[in-house]
Amino acid sequence: QKEVEQNSGPLSVPEGAIASLNCTYSDRVSQSFFWYRQYSGKSPELIMSIYSNGDKEDGRFTAQLNKASQYVSLLIRDSQPSDSATYLCAVILTTQGAQKLVFGQGTRLTINP
Amino acid sequence: DGGITQSPKYLFRKEGQNVTLSCEQNLNHDAMYWYRQDPGQGLRLIYYSQIVNDFQKGDIAEGYSVSREKKESFPLTVTSAQKNPTAFYLCATLDRQETQYFGPGTRLLVL
Repeated sequence: QKEVEQNSGPLSVPEGAIASLNCTYSDRVSQSFFWYRQYSGKSPELIMSIYSNGDKEDGRFTAQLNKASQYVSLLIRDSQPSDSATYLCAVILTTQGAQKLVFGQGTRLTINP
Repeated sequence: DGGITQSPKYLFRKEGQNVTLSCEQNLNHDAMYWYRQDPGQGLRLIYYSQIVNDFQKGDIAEGYSVSREKKESFPLTVTSAQKNPTAFYLCATLDRQETQYFGPGTRLLVL
């Protein structure tokens, strides 16, 4: 089982609708979770971080975390064409005192005007 | 203007040649990382360093080498042992709040 898994997509959503991106992780002790957005040919940029069970909202973005189910999701409300990108889920793993971020393979999202 | 710089933006490697990718940061972050990204794929960890003069292998270290002589610098050498080096290489740092910051990347192509 991969440490972090995402549906690679592509996911197509009409403009103005809600885009829902999902991610599962294998390490039960993970405490820190992140969503990054990556435009084609560019480096990833942080959108949201979440550490506690429940929802965390920031503008049009909502991250949801369920540690019991080892599941983290990202909702994008009122989707815009500029939201079209690849979304990467990432989890902090601590191994022998060293922290590293483990990424899923990314979900490619397309918002259709 | 704080951040991470990577150079060059594009790099061409001839068969059998070693090439070095530069990564410099002025964010004063202790931890630095190198990732490789292939088309349509996520990021895979090559090497990381938590402190000067110390580094650890990531998931795909074979064919690569690094050094960490200064806090600001973490160069990556792609050796001739790396048979399929064509990829997008990303350097990153990690701050104390566990936020990862990425450089703009270097695209390596084989001639």
